[in-house]
Amino acid sequence: DVKVTQSSRYLVKRTGEKVFLECVQDMDHENMFWYRQDPGLGLRLIYFSYDVKMKEKGDIPEGYSVSREKKERFSLILESASTNQTSMYLCASSFKGDQPQHFGDGTRLSIL
Amino acid sequence: EDQVTQSPEALRLQEGESSSLNCSYTVSGLRGLFWYRQDPGKGPEFLFTLYSAGEEKEKERLKATLTKKESFLHITAPKPEDSATYLCAVRGGYNKLIFGAGTRLAVHP
Repeated sequence: DVKVTQSSRYLVKRTGEKVFLECVQDMDHENMFWYRQDPGLGLRLIYFSYDVKMKEKGDIPEGYSVSREKKERFSLILESASTNQTSMYLCASSFKGDQPQHFGDGTRLSIL
Repeated sequence: EDQVTQSPEALRLQEGESSSLNCSYTVSGLRGLFWYRQDPGKGPEFLFTLYSAGEEKEKERLKATLTKKESFLHITAPKPEDSATYLCAVRGGYNKLIFGAGTRLAVHP
């Protein structure tokens, strides 16, 4: 079974802090993704990566950055956290091509 | 613009009462339609991929079908453990998934 592990289930941070969300997958997937999920808005893509050290902007990249130094690990960084970044963050991975994405259980992030 | 619309937003069924969830989509060049199940506090769990009109996939009480404009997730004789949010997504340009807002299904004994 595919395993996508997100480092924290719940996280509380203060405005202005730099926040790191970590994601690790154990299936040697080439592709990795970060989404946020908000009520009524569904899942929205923040950033994705097709290979190590490679990144592409998704639909809502403002206020975020990412890092992929190793194939199995994809980090999401909130440069200076703001209250409108309070959300559920979901990491996913997949093989390249038209393969389904597999998700972790999410990090519920609250910015106070 | 690529778009996915799911209906209804919420559905309440009695145990054993079959029904269907709808996913309407507009996308330039469909490269897969995906169904996921999401339980509260969990990430989406992959159910099915459909690639071409007329294709059908089944898993236990669930059956997904695809036409050129929409997909249906049919639930036959549901049980309370089928209660979840069901998400539909299409793969459009640049290999990105576009998700619908989901249908919250509640099955009562």
